[in-house]
Amino acid sequence: DQQVKQNSPSLSVQEGRISILNCDYTNSMFDYFLWYKKYPAEGPTFLISISSIKDKNEDGRFTVFLNKSAKHLSLHIVPSQPGDSAVYFCAASAFTGNNRKLIWGLGTSLAVNP
Amino acid sequence: ETGVTQTPRHLVMGMTNKKSLKCEQHLGHNAMYWYKQSAKKPLELMFVYNFKEQTENNSVPSRFSPECPNSSHLFLHLHTLQPEDSALYLCASSQGRLASYEQYFGPGTRLTVT
Repeated sequence: DQQVKQNSPSLSVQEGRISILNCDYTNSMFDYFLWYKKYPAEGPTFLISISSIKDKNEDGRFTVFLNKSAKHLSLHIVPSQPGDSAVYFCAASAFTGNNRKLIWGLGTSLAVNP
Repeated sequence: ETGVTQTPRHLVMGMTNKKSLKCEQHLGHNAMYWYKQSAKKPLELMFVYNFKEQTENNSVPSRFSPECPNSSHLFLHLHTLQPEDSALYLCASSQGRLASYEQYFGPGTRLTVT
């Protein structure tokens, strides 16, 4: 049973428009959320994160929104650029016992068309 | 060299072979991780080392044996693997084990077990 779900395997957006990538989670113990980006033949790279005490975090063109009541977060990229074409992973973190677990979604492949 | 490097990038091995995957981080981090990424599955955390000590083993079969001789190097020794072990194996490092410490990933080793 997936605790972190990215229900859209792929998304296609026109250059200059907004990209919205969604992520849903089931575990209310998650208290920290991260987005990673992955290009082919490379490892994931950190993009932006948000703590559960916040509902928004912004870094340049990237903004993450967290709706705890809906157990939903989203990543907004505006304006989208062709170089943003990659797979985007949502990850959620919680303490379990003595350790902190990071649970990953399956990813959403974003294509930004010129 | 900068960041996190992994060798080899591709590996094909028979079920009776013994091989090792190597990971090296040049970031001065204290925590290192092995992940497995199988097709159509989320990233699965296998092992965690913090200050060279193994802090997590997520029910990984004993045919996978990690080794962390120092904070900069991490190995994954493989022996008598099964075809279902074919996957992308990613190494990552972070400054510490707090959720706010982003993980830096290597490019991965694409493993095929025949």
